[in-house]
This record gives sequence, C-alpha cells and structure tokens, in this order.
Amino acid sequence: DAGVIQSPRHEVTEMGQEVTLRCKPISGHDYLFWYRQTMMRGLELLIYFNNNVPIDDSGMPEDRFSAKMPNASFSTLKIQPSEPRDSAVYFCASSNQNTIYFGEGSWLTVV
Amino acid sequence: DQQVKQNSPSLSVQEGRISILNCDYTNSMFDYFLWYKKYPAEGPTFLISISSIKDKNEDGRFTVFLNKSAKHLSLHIVPSQPGDSAVYFCAASDSTNFGNEKLTFGTGTRLTIIP
Repeated sequence: DAGVIQSPRHEVTEMGQEVTLRCKPISGHDYLFWYRQTMMRGLELLIYFNNNVPIDDSGMPEDRFSAKMPNASFSTLKIQPSEPRDSAVYFCASSNQNTIYFGEGSWLTVV
Repeated sequence: DQQVKQNSPSLSVQEGRISILNCDYTNSMFDYFLWYKKYPAEGPTFLISISSIKDKNEDGRFTVFLNKSAKHLSLHIVPSQPGDSAVYFCAASDSTNFGNEKLTFGTGTRLTIIP
C-alpha cells in the first residue's frame, strides 16, 4: 500500500487566499484524521471522521477552517481566508482502530 | 491547556548509552499511551504503546514505563543508535469515551544521538 497520500507537499500563499489540502487515506481504513503541527502546541487534532462522517471537530480553530470527506478515499481541509498564523505542517492520518498512520504532511506558509 | 506534556524540547545522548524521554499527563481518564517517532519531512510513525493495566512494555531496544499514580510515562532506548535521532511524540487516549482513535499529543522531544 502507498500509505496516506497528501497534497500539496508545500504551499506558499498570500494572506486572504483560500487554501485546500487534500488527503487519500489507506484503503480499508475507516478513520481519517487531520492534525496540525506547530512548535508551540505540537500535534493538535483538528477533526476526525469515521466512515466518512465527522465525529469530532472540536479542534478546528475557527470558522475559517472546514473539512469534508465525500467518500472513503478522499478528504479535504480548507482554510478560507488564510492568515499568517495558519502557517504550520498539516498532517492527514488514517487508522483501522489499531494504529494511526500519518501522511508526510503538507507544509503551509501564509505570507 | 496541554493535557500531555513533554517538558524537554531536546535531548542529546552519546551513542550506545541509554536515552530516556519523559512525558506527563493531566487527564486521569487517559488509559492508553503511545510513542511516535518523527524524522524531518516525514509523518510520525508509531513506535510503542502501553495500556494502563500495565506498567511496562518492551519491544527490542525500546521500553515504555507507566506510572499511573504520578501520571508519568517514559520511553527508554538502549543502546541508543544514530538512527534514533528524531523527534519523539508522546500521545494518550481515553479509550472508554473515545476509543483509541482520538489521540492527544505532546509537543515532542528532539533526540540527538552523538556518534
């Protein structure tokens, strides 16, 4: 299996622009997670899905952030409008209730 | 409020010696604990875990110790090797309420093994 696939790997965007991060989970995994990594807070869980249904979005920072999972093989995390403080590494992960497998991350820089 | 704390942002250890990484937690509902390892430009990968019914779990060079009364766990790596240089994240879950899928991570400790 190719593992969790994220795109883009790197994104530099201007403040106010919309950013869309994409994720393809490991086939057969029924949980999908979006995490954000910053120096100050480490790895923070933003939202997670079970069988494409959002279960807990309490970690989503504010209304500018939204996530969707239209089917079992695809999810998006959208930031609109983006702000410099959103600069971080965003990880997508999936699991089969045992081990969580992470993608390589999307490095976002908002200038 | 950081429920999982790794108070040492970095640690340097001589090759061949023991590396000890520490983690404290505040939520008494946490009952499952994990360590993840992360290399630069890669996602975290699972290393070892322990359930709250145990106080020790060993896997090769890696041992995790859990002290529930102190709400403290540690990861021991012995002997340390240069390939162990990475950022180590401690994580915890409240499996009773959320299952093992919802993990709370610490801020990480960067381990550097000196050849």
